[in-house]
Amino acid sequence: KQEVTQIPAALSVPEGENLVLNCSFTDSAIYNLQWFRQDPGKGLTSLLLIQSSQREQTSGRLNASLDKSSGRSTLYIAASQPGDSATYLCAVLREGDKIIFGKGTRLHILP
Amino acid sequence: GAVVSQHPSWVICKSGTSVKIECRSLDFQATTMFWYRQFPKQSLMLMATSNEGSKATYEQGVEKDKFLINHASLTLSTLTVTSAHPEDSSFYICSARDARGKGGNSYEQYFGPGTRLTVT
Repeated sequence: KQEVTQIPAALSVPEGENLVLNCSFTDSAIYNLQWFRQDPGKGLTSLLLIQSSQREQTSGRLNASLDKSSGRSTLYIAASQPGDSATYLCAVLREGDKIIFGKGTRLHILP
Repeated sequence: GAVVSQHPSWVICKSGTSVKIECRSLDFQATTMFWYRQFPKQSLMLMATSNEGSKATYEQGVEKDKFLINHASLTLSTLTVTSAHPEDSSFYICSARDARGKGGNSYEQYFGPGTRLTVT
């Protein structure tokens, strides 16, 4: 059974700092891994999608890496801003189109 | 492109009534749509997979007679919460997979903005 774990559950950092969010999954048989952002009471915003054959994806200040063999992914956020405050969800897509989500990391950027 | 909408965005209903939530893919066709439920401060849990023209596949523990899913067209799936109770209050999110493998990734799913259901 695929399980996705995100560490830490919550994180507060001063504005301007670089930070790393961690995600691990138990079954390496995945099609892709995706990072989402969710603001309170809102839906999901897709940030980055990494195919199983890829090792990283970058978009602006965000960089996501994937090490499928070890079952790990990281989301790196550079030069954090107060607007980055949100919950970040890691999700893996496995056979049958089923997406398994982690519980998320609640990020708070201190102005 | 790849926009998924949900209607309504929020709904309040009385216990015992039924509520219908719509999920639409606006600019692509979706043979498969998915329904998720999210309780406060929890992650999304897959409830069921909705396939156009066939019966939905429900995850273990999800009552199919309570959560009725209809996927009558390639752009619309509906979730009806029947005889709603306060414990059904949650955030319901749908996603859709582009039948044509939009964007070169045949597995990417696009998520709707969610529907907040409150049962009083």
